[in-house]
Amino acid sequence: EVQLLESGGHLVQPGESLRLSCAASGFTFSHSAMSWVRQAPGKGLEWVSTITTSGANTFHADPVKGRFTISRDNSKNTLYLQMNSLRGDDTAIYYCAKSAGTHFDSWGQGTLVTVSS
Amino acid sequence: DIQMTQSPSSLSASVGDRVTITCRASESISVHLNWYQQKPGKAPKLLIYGTSTLESGVPSTFSGSGSGTDFTLTISSLRPEDFATYYCQQSYTTPRSITFGQGTRLEMK
Repeated sequence: EVQLLESGGHLVQPGESLRLSCAASGFTFSHSAMSWVRQAPGKGLEWVSTITTSGANTFHADPVKGRFTISRDNSKNTLYLQMNSLRGDDTAIYYCAKSAGTHFDSWGQGTLVTVSS
Repeated sequence: DIQMTQSPSSLSASVGDRVTITCRASESISVHLNWYQQKPGKAPKLLIYGTSTLESGVPSTFSGSGSGTDFTLTISSLRPEDFATYYCQQSYTTPRSITFGQGTRLEMK
């Protein structure tokens, strides 16, 4: 059974940094592209970042480009999201999602990031 | 970026009803359209990918159709557990850009 367990979310002040982690199990992690998707309180889903299987290629949505960095450690079956210069509109639940080519076939339970002074 | 627009934004229906949700892309995405279901406090769940392929374990009461810019998700007979929010997602420009519709909240009448 695929399991994705996010961690690292908590309350931070604007301008601070935070690193999220997603521990994966139940599938061959190194064979799957992985993504982060977020959801602001009461709002819809927003794609954040995607990383290819080896980590050689990364893609980020415009609102986070230059501030967020997605990475992975295939030896630890773990996905990361380094978030710098956090802003209030980054407040959201951040989901880790396993990519199956063109769609997200498994999701974690999410971790809440709150940016507020 | 390709914009995805769902209609309606919310919908009230009863158990046993047939329901259709529409998703429109700002430009052609061929058949690269996926649907997800999300219940309150839970992660999204994949329902349909590639416009019309049901994910394993998804009831056959769900179906998807369309191509180009216009797509539909149909629930042929609503069950109590189907009341949720539904999102479409285009994968035509995966992985460099991925966009979701704003969601359709399906409520019990």
